[in-house]
Amino acid sequence: RKEVEQDPGPFNVPEGATVAFNCTYSNSASQSFFWYRQDCRKEPKLLMSVYSSGNEDGRFTAQLNRASQYISLLIRDSKLSDSATYLCVVLRSGAGSYQLTFGKGTKLSVIP
Amino acid sequence: DAGVIQSPRHEVTEMGQEVTLRCKPISGHDYLFWYRQTMMRGLELLIYFNNNVPIDDSGMPEDRFSAKMPNASFSTLKIQPSEPRDSAVYFCASSLFRGNEQFFGPGTRLTVL
Repeated sequence: RKEVEQDPGPFNVPEGATVAFNCTYSNSASQSFFWYRQDCRKEPKLLMSVYSSGNEDGRFTAQLNRASQYISLLIRDSKLSDSATYLCVVLRSGAGSYQLTFGKGTKLSVIP
Repeated sequence: DAGVIQSPRHEVTEMGQEVTLRCKPISGHDYLFWYRQTMMRGLELLIYFNNNVPIDDSGMPEDRFSAKMPNASFSTLKIQPSEPRDSAVYFCASSLFRGNEQFFGPGTRLTVL
């Protein structure tokens, strides 16, 4: 099983739609979780961290389920500008060790 | 701040040549990371530095790859000799703390013919 797995998509949704992405991780010792966004031929940028209690930032909601080892990202009222690849990121670190693993990403296309 | 700066932005070279990629992290960031991104493997962490010291290079694929950070504002990733399978986008990122948000540079798109 891969350490971080995402549905590669593409997800093609109309403007205004709600879309959800899931990400699963294999190592239960993972500690921190993030969603990054990467536009075509650009660098990844942090979208939001994922907290145990779930968190929201405007139209974006991130949730963590430690028992099932998955993370989700919900985008409401999709905009054309949301078209990008969304990368799930899992961090496991300790004394002298640091394992940051990126998923391969889920591609979203928001259609007019 | 200008953000993380990488050079060159594009590099085309022939197999067997030496390639040097450069990175200037955000001032004040203590951590610097080198990544490689390909369609097949996604984004992979190659090596990271803390206060200019290499901490974990377990992601470096082979001895042909080496990285240095002679001071807080400059790092290099060198491939010698380069091979076609090294073709990828190489990103440098920096962060204030180890578990913090990482800020990525624009990347260097490397093509080895």
